[in-house]
Amino acid sequence: GAVVSQHPSRVICKSGTSVKIECRSLDFQATTMFWYRQFPKKSLMLMATSNEGSKATYEQGVEKDKFLINHASLTLSTLTVTSAHPEDSSFYICSARDLRGDTEAFFGQGTRLTVV
Amino acid sequence: GENVEQHPSTLSVQEGDSAVIKCTYSDSASNYFPWYKQELGKRPQLIIDIRSNVGEKKDQRIAVTLNKTAKHFSLHITETQPEDSAVYFCAAMDRRVNQFYFGTGTSLTVIP
Repeated sequence: GAVVSQHPSRVICKSGTSVKIECRSLDFQATTMFWYRQFPKKSLMLMATSNEGSKATYEQGVEKDKFLINHASLTLSTLTVTSAHPEDSSFYICSARDLRGDTEAFFGQGTRLTVV
Repeated sequence: GENVEQHPSTLSVQEGDSAVIKCTYSDSASNYFPWYKQELGKRPQLIIDIRSNVGEKKDQRIAVTLNKTAKHFSLHITETQPEDSAVYFCAAMDRRVNQFYFGTGTSLTVIP
């Protein structure tokens, strides 16, 4: 299947700082990227959907000013957690699909964020 | 958005037995239903999917059934093996508007 690379896999940051997570589609053009948050032993909660070149669509309850999503190219989307707090500690995972090719969504390996 | 419910949340079966996981969805516009397997600390991997124009699909020991009228779909795993132990997620998607929502997950344990 297609490859989606997410970086970093783990990050520890201090409270109040910002963290950027990258999601890259390596062998296909991702017209759409989804960003999820996953709590331990819980499901994947959709945070936002981003289409290349457009503003992201955020799910209800997700602060767009806190979780900045950029999808400037067909192979890269970034999620920036701004002014991180300990409650933002979580597993963040992206997935990508090519809407034009009508593919399924492929997942990145996830990022474990710990805010201390 | 779409609301996807999944049951049971945990499931234990003896090796060789069958396992069934059920999901319901709320949006009749959803037309694509994938199932993902997530092993501990790893990314979800697609194991099987079904589109709304099909009622059943099978791939070796794994099958998925879809009832569009009732808005529910199920994953069936036969002859379970210890390596089937993982968390399974169903999802529902309206491919036209590109919205993708997951169920709450089922932790499957296959007891040797």
